[in-house]
Amino acid sequence: DAKTTQPTSMDCAEGRAANLPCNHSTISGNEYVYWYRQIHSQGPQYIIHGLKNNETNEMASLIITEDRKSSTLILPHATLRDTAVYYCIVSGMDSSYKLIFGSGTRLLVRP
Amino acid sequence: GAGVSQSPSNKVTEKGKDVELRCDPISGHTALYWYRQRLGQGLEFLIYFQGNSAPDKSGLPSDRFSAERTGESVSTLTIQRTQQEDSAVYLCASSLKVAGLSIFEQYFGPGTRLTVT
Repeated sequence: DAKTTQPTSMDCAEGRAANLPCNHSTISGNEYVYWYRQIHSQGPQYIIHGLKNNETNEMASLIITEDRKSSTLILPHATLRDTAVYYCIVSGMDSSYKLIFGSGTRLLVRP
Repeated sequence: GAGVSQSPSNKVTEKGKDVELRCDPISGHTALYWYRQRLGQGLEFLIYFQGNSAPDKSGLPSDRFSAERTGESVSTLTIQRTQQEDSAVYLCASSLKVAGLSIFEQYFGPGTRLTVT
């Protein structure tokens, strides 16, 4: 599975958009990009996933570059409850059950 | 509906004792996963069940660790002769899996915090 690189930490103001980047330069053609988050002392929570097209759901948007070597998770209007560690994970269809969590990005939303 | 539940929420045990951790997945979810998260670190994959079978046990750290699943429902993770390095939060997740197609969203339980003294 491809390795991902994320900034260790970021912050943003409440109500503003939070843009979390992820590099996955070794991603292969059949590998998906997943985003999960983990709020303190809770289990991880699925946010969104994509293959090559941009995706949007009620929680976030996922923008994947055309070469698929990087992606950005966008929380359009961050709230204090969005403070969490955000994990970008790349996994193929055959091994999509095996989520390899890296260190993630610790997002702090400031009031 | 009910989410993934795990019990106990906290377990303190003495080094050398055996422990059993329980996971109740979401009803109808055929796939079940165990992960371990040490303090301040990311999640480590331990084992995956499809139905009652475990096609991938590659993440189990040693032969002291075992897991089973029955009735395509509840799963137990057993750690024998616990060691201090086993101290961690043990997380269980479940997901739907349709033949030939994975459903990508894994639903996680709150975890069991294991402390080995």
